[in-house]
Amino acid sequence: GQNIDQPTEMTATEGAIVQINCTYQTSGFNGLFWYQQHAGEAPTFLSYNVLDGLEEKGRFSSFLSRSKGYSYLLLKELQMKDSASYLCAVMDSNYQLIWGAGTKLIIKP
Amino acid sequence: GAVVSQHPSRVICKSGTSVKIECRSLDFQATTMFWYRQFPKKSLMLMATSNEGSKATYEQGVEKDKFLINHASLTLSTLTVTSAHPEDSSFYICSAKTETSGMDEQFFGPGTRLTVL
Repeated sequence: GQNIDQPTEMTATEGAIVQINCTYQTSGFNGLFWYQQHAGEAPTFLSYNVLDGLEEKGRFSSFLSRSKGYSYLLLKELQMKDSASYLCAVMDSNYQLIWGAGTKLIIKP
Repeated sequence: GAVVSQHPSRVICKSGTSVKIECRSLDFQATTMFWYRQFPKKSLMLMATSNEGSKATYEQGVEKDKFLINHASLTLSTLTVTSAHPEDSSFYICSAKTETSGMDEQFFGPGTRLTVL
């Protein structure tokens, strides 16, 4: 079956760095997405990876290894506003999205 | 975990026809369902929010007469794209929200790819 795994919850300190991992097993691969979702709001797009390697965008970076079925989202210089859920989603060979359950990130002062 | 399904997974239709997309929560009751459009390799755009038994709330810029939403039960919501045109071709995603122990959880469907010729 198809599966996306990411931790349920993580806690980090303001100003620090946190890495949210996502592993996947899907039938085919057409890219991996990371979304940020604040409580009560729609998800917002963070990144899209389809090739192996690291994509950096400001304080956020996303890494992909297709051979390992693995991605991570790296958040640097954490701010209180980064407290949110982070969703990993993979587009399979049928261009269907397989969603992870999301990782709730709690930032402490 | 909770499962949300969508049907059909992909549909091709002629311009001017209407298309209905179903969103079902398979093992839980969804107090609220959301409909999104996803632009290629990028963001989800929230189209509307629907609560069971009441009218949907549409986001600014989304035509409610064109995108008809029905939320007849706690496990089913439908989106009908009326008089579809090629610019309506997109990836439509639904999500369902449930309240568990007072905490909101939202689960996403696999999406429906609509191609209008």
